[in-house]
Amino acid sequence: KNEVEQSPQNLTAQEGEFITINCSYSVGISALHWLQQHPGGGIVSLFMLSSGKKKHGRLIATINIQEKHSSLHITASHPRDSAVYICAVRQETSGSRLTFGEGTQLTVNP
Amino acid sequence: KAGVTQTPRYLIKTRGQQVTLSCSPISGHRSVSWYQQTPGQGLQFLFEYFSETQRNKGNFPGRFSGRQFSNSRSEMNVSTLELGDSALYLCASSLAGRGSPGYTFGSGTRLTVV
Repeated sequence: KNEVEQSPQNLTAQEGEFITINCSYSVGISALHWLQQHPGGGIVSLFMLSSGKKKHGRLIATINIQEKHSSLHITASHPRDSAVYICAVRQETSGSRLTFGEGTQLTVNP
Repeated sequence: KAGVTQTPRYLIKTRGQQVTLSCSPISGHRSVSWYQQTPGQGLQFLFEYFSETQRNKGNFPGRFSGRQFSNSRSEMNVSTLELGDSALYLCASSLAGRGSPGYTFGSGTRLTVV
């Protein structure tokens, strides 16, 4: 079992829909990151969380430390949101090393 | 402010050769970490450098090595290339190591070994 699990692996939505991507982890962490990767490979860091909730534009990320679970929400989805979304954790015992989930491929159709 | 710069963007090498990839972090960032991304294994941590010292290392063979210079620029080297080394290699920089808020990733170097 991977230390970081994401669901779903693939997600197709219609423009305007509310989207949720989930991440569960099995290790103690100091921080959790949500990353976005577009075709071509470049990765953008969306959020870093250690507790609670953060919002940036149409993106919302939440984390429940007790449940070892985080969610990334996209409101009013748009085709430009189509990308791979990756959850990554920084373990308490591993310094700056990140452990990644397998990613969620999101496709938003117009 | 300039982002994280990785060079080259694309590279084709032959089995048995060696390769050096470069990463220039954001000015002021002292931590540089390297990752390998393949379709089968996803993203995996290679190593992290902070102030010219390797601070953390992933589970990769000794053919994979790196270093960091006094200006925080980092290089990674892969010797005796194998077909399975074909991957996207990403580096990320962050402020002052442990406890720093986040990472900025480069666009990656796509290495193809033939």
